[in-house]
Amino acid sequence: QSALTQPPSASGSPGQSVTMSCTGTSSDVGVYNYVSWYQHHPGKAPKLIIYEVTKRPSGVPDRFSGSKSGNTASLTVSGLQADDEADYYCSSHAGIIRWVFGGGTKLTVL
Amino acid sequence: EVQLVESGGGLVQPGGSLRLSCAASGFPFSSYWMRWVRQAPGKGLEWVADIRGDGYEDFYVDSVKGRFTISRDNTKNSLYLQMNSLRADDSALYFCAKDFAWACDEWGQGTMVTVSS
Repeated sequence: QSALTQPPSASGSPGQSVTMSCTGTSSDVGVYNYVSWYQHHPGKAPKLIIYEVTKRPSGVPDRFSGSKSGNTASLTVSGLQADDEADYYCSSHAGIIRWVFGGGTKLTVL
Repeated sequence: EVQLVESGGGLVQPGGSLRLSCAASGFPFSSYWMRWVRQAPGKGLEWVADIRGDGYEDFYVDSVKGRFTISRDNTKNSLYLQMNSLRADDSALYFCAKDFAWACDEWGQGTMVTVSS
């Protein structure tokens, strides 16, 4: 099973917006609206921040938003805060393969 | 409050076996698919296995098929991962997670598995 492709790093200054991409194929991201995003501070449990491409679980601020175009999903973090510095992973349902994750993007708040 | 607490990790020799457990609380356990996800040192997340709420359907990533078995005991609100024929590349932090809308909405803190001689 091939992982989804994420850029290894992203950065932005406090208050700015940053968008991270997640590229899959027509067998996963491109065909299913089951893309999810996770925030992971090392040493802690990953946290779900977006599911079904655009939906936010309760308690997740609307500074986090998701979208998808073709085989690429995106996560935008607006109004960057210091605590947003973390690793971000995307995931997608992949049919018979079930699940694929991206390799993760390390977000640095400058 | 939902809690997922993994246990059973440790150091094991190549070819050895280990059984991971995940104690769940705070939600109707038998109503949800559950899964194991792992993270090798310095690497990203990797889905390992899924099991349906009633335990009668399961799925695995290709690299563990035939070696790992996911199971659950709904009377004990517990999820398990029996890992046999362990290899060095199975070394990872293993998380159990609860399914929600084809996502993992609740995660444990993980249990570390190290396969080394």
